[in-house]
Amino acid sequence: EPEVTQTPSHQVTQMGQEVILRCVPISNHLYFYWYRQILGQKVEFLVSFYNNEISEKSEIFDDQFSVERPDGSNFTLKIRSTKLEDSAMYFCASSTGGTSTDTQYFGPGTRLTVL
Amino acid sequence: DQQVKQNSPSLSVQEGRISILNCDYTNSMFDYFLWYKKYPAEGPTFLISISSIKDKNEDGRFTVFLNKSAKHLSLHIVPSQPGDSAVYFCAASVGAAGNKLTFGGGTRVLVKP
Repeated sequence: EPEVTQTPSHQVTQMGQEVILRCVPISNHLYFYWYRQILGQKVEFLVSFYNNEISEKSEIFDDQFSVERPDGSNFTLKIRSTKLEDSAMYFCASSTGGTSTDTQYFGPGTRLTVL
Repeated sequence: DQQVKQNSPSLSVQEGRISILNCDYTNSMFDYFLWYKKYPAEGPTFLISISSIKDKNEDGRFTVFLNKSAKHLSLHIVPSQPGDSAVYFCAASVGAAGNKLTFGGGTRVLVKP
């Protein structure tokens, strides 16, 4: 069964460093998303991406964040200058879109630890 | 952001019995609802969904009920199995295609053998 994959599973970085989290969405999906879950808190929406552009972003997704689909398979989240409060699980998701019952399928997540 | 709330942080149930998980929402624009299951160190796994044009959707052991007037949905798992032990999240969106999900805080279910 097709699944969303994410790399790395765990990323440790120093505050102020740039990190890139990678995702390979399900191949026939058209919509891509990033969510995060800070320890003990809810899963929060960050950004959605369709047709090579951001379709929606949350207040969390400020100028330090960017997304890109550099080729036909990968979808990346870049954090330019990490802060301690960026430590969280980051989940990529994808969906086919275009229907009234669109289901988002999630990857296993990347645990980001900012020291 | 308390638009989606799961008021029970945990639930313990005997194997073979029914598990009932509840979820309340405040945003009347929500019209598509999903339940996800999550094991530790894994991403959320889709279980079942319902759109606001229905009040019930069933898939095997899982049934979701939607009460729009009360802004309430529930997930029934019958019969519960030990492998169902996980954290369950409800999520909601305005429209389905490509729209962001707003999650509840989750309910941890423990199914005892």
